[in-house]
Amino acid sequence: AQSVTQLDSQVPVFEEAPVELRCNYSSSVSVYLFWYVQYPNQGLQLLLKYLSGSTLVKGINGFEAEFNKSQTSFHLRKPSVHISDTAEYFCAVSNLIYNQGGKLIFGQGTELSVKP
Amino acid sequence: DAGITQSPRYKITETGRQVTLMCHQTWSHSYMFWYRQDLGHGLRLIYYSAAADITDKGEVPDGYVVSRSKTENFPLTLESATRSQTSVYFCASRTGLAATDTQYFGPGTRLTVL
Repeated sequence: AQSVTQLDSQVPVFEEAPVELRCNYSSSVSVYLFWYVQYPNQGLQLLLKYLSGSTLVKGINGFEAEFNKSQTSFHLRKPSVHISDTAEYFCAVSNLIYNQGGKLIFGQGTELSVKP
Repeated sequence: DAGITQSPRYKITETGRQVTLMCHQTWSHSYMFWYRQDLGHGLRLIYYSAAADITDKGEVPDGYVVSRSKTENFPLTLESATRSQTSVYFCASRTGLAATDTQYFGPGTRLTVL
């Protein structure tokens, strides 16, 4: 079975500071990894995804994530955050190899709060 | 409007009542999903559908019923609502199972069961 753990439920940070949101996963098979962002009172939007190839993945709004297979991690980073980055961020894993309906397994979410 | 919509956006109901949450997508995506979002649990899959008239259970299906008579609609019914079903419900859709197929989410329905 697969699972995703987001190590921080809340991350407060000041504007223009760097941020890292941590995500660890467990799976016995190869996985695809995703980060989604949920702005207040909105649905989830895809931020970035790792499917294969380069372990450093760049997404929208200046975010990037690094896939580390040995540490089973997929941490999300941004070198300088803005007030508008305040949102909840979800890490997710998917195993499409065994035709499981494309089901995404989500972590518990990390609330990023950017303060002026 | 193109995209995926949910209705109602907010709903308050009482224990024991039947409630139906609607989901509509305009892309003709084959796959549709229902999730519930609860604090500390992230999003958990309730049911999904691979095509019209094909549905399957997800992680937390108890107390819910789905149908998919048309590709574009995927209603979720709580047959007898309970307080534990108070949650935010998200519908999602995607073209297929390829890794490159992005999953799109609706804006959510906030359901309160009194």
